[in-house]
Amino acid sequence: GNSVTQMEGPVTLSEEAFLTINCTYTATGYPSLFWYVQYPGEGLQLLLKATKADDKGSNKGFEATYRKETTSFHLEKGSVQVSDSAVYFCALNYRMEYGNKLVFGAGTILRVKS
Amino acid sequence: GAVVSQHPSWVICKSGTSVKIECRSLDFQATTMFWYRQFPKQSLMLMATSNEGSKATYEQGVEKDKFLINHASLTLSTLTVTSAHPEDSSFYICSARDGRAYQPQHFGDGTRLSIL
Repeated sequence: GNSVTQMEGPVTLSEEAFLTINCTYTATGYPSLFWYVQYPGEGLQLLLKATKADDKGSNKGFEATYRKETTSFHLEKGSVQVSDSAVYFCALNYRMEYGNKLVFGAGTILRVKS
Repeated sequence: GAVVSQHPSWVICKSGTSVKIECRSLDFQATTMFWYRQFPKQSLMLMATSNEGSKATYEQGVEKDKFLINHASLTLSTLTVTSAHPEDSSFYICSARDGRAYQPQHFGDGTRLSIL
């Protein structure tokens, strides 16, 4: 089946530290991969995406590379800020007979301290 | 671009009433809309997928008669929680995507439903 596994949180970092949130997936076929971010009390915002192997998605200093050989899509940022504190969801998109479906990981809480 | 508006953002009502939540795509045509439920500190659980003009496809374990979904136009889908009870209290989030390949889902800001 299709599934996404993320590292458990919470991840607590100091401002300007390097961030890695691990994400691995299992899938049939060739899914698209996404990272979404959720701030408290809000819906999800698309952070970045990659649609095929070796694609690198990037946005707001975050980046992730679609690694087919390791079935991974780890999220990284070189220098985090307090405003990056949120919940991060890794997701894959695959086709069903009635359309596309997103499968989410459990989410990783990131807390950045000043 | 790709803005999804969800309304209301917060609703409190008495047990037994029905509550309607709207999801609108403001600047694109949403051929497919999705409804999710999120419990505190948990991930999103897909409830149903709706394609414009056709009946929604519900995930296993989701009661069709309890959660009525209508997707009558390319910019609007509604979720009606019928005869709501305290166990239906949750955070409901909609998302929408257009029909092009590889396009992501764009999410609304969610509706916090509290049933007293």
